[in-house]
Amino acid sequence: RKEVEQDPGPFNVPEGATVAFNCTYSNSASQSFFWYRQDCRKEPKLLMSVYSSGNEDGRFTAQLNRASQYISLLIRDSKLSDSATYLCVVNERGFQKLVFGTGTRLLVSP
Amino acid sequence: NAGVTQTPKFQVLKTGQSMTLQCAQDMNHEYMSWYRQDPGMGLRLIHYSVGAGITDQGEVPNGYNVSRSTTEDFPLRLLSAAPSQTSVYFCASSYRRTANTGELFFGEGSRLTVL
Repeated sequence: RKEVEQDPGPFNVPEGATVAFNCTYSNSASQSFFWYRQDCRKEPKLLMSVYSSGNEDGRFTAQLNRASQYISLLIRDSKLSDSATYLCVVNERGFQKLVFGTGTRLLVSP
Repeated sequence: NAGVTQTPKFQVLKTGQSMTLQCAQDMNHEYMSWYRQDPGMGLRLIHYSVGAGITDQGEVPNGYNVSRSTTEDFPLRLLSAAPSQTSVYFCASSYRRTANTGELFFGEGSRLTVL
């Protein structure tokens, strides 16, 4: 079993749609969680941290379920510019153990 | 606003050749690291450094060397390139405190092909 698993997609959605991605992690001792965004042939960029109580940043909402060991990202009112690959990242024990998922690809069409 | 700068952006090598990927950051970050990204796999940590003069191995260090003589620079050396080292390499940096939680700033990447 992979340490961090994501559905690779692609998720094809029209502009304005709401889309959700899930990510599961295997290590119950994982300490911190993130969503990164990576555009095609570009570097990953931090999108948002994921807090235990859930958190929102504009159209983006992140949730953490420690009991079930999954993280979710909800994007409301999708824009063309949201087309990218979204990487789930889990920190198991400090910077020497930051585990990246393989990413979920989102394609938003007009 | 330079951030993390990697050079070269593209490189083609022959098997057995050596080369150095350069990484520089101007944010006074203590933590710097090198990752490789391959299709179907998440980014994997090669080497990292928590400050000048301090380096350590990550998940996939074989075939690579690093050094950290200054806070700003963290070069990655391929000793004898192999086709398995064909990949996209990313340098990342952060303050040590935020690196410990996972908030990293990445360079634009270096695409390496080994023939």
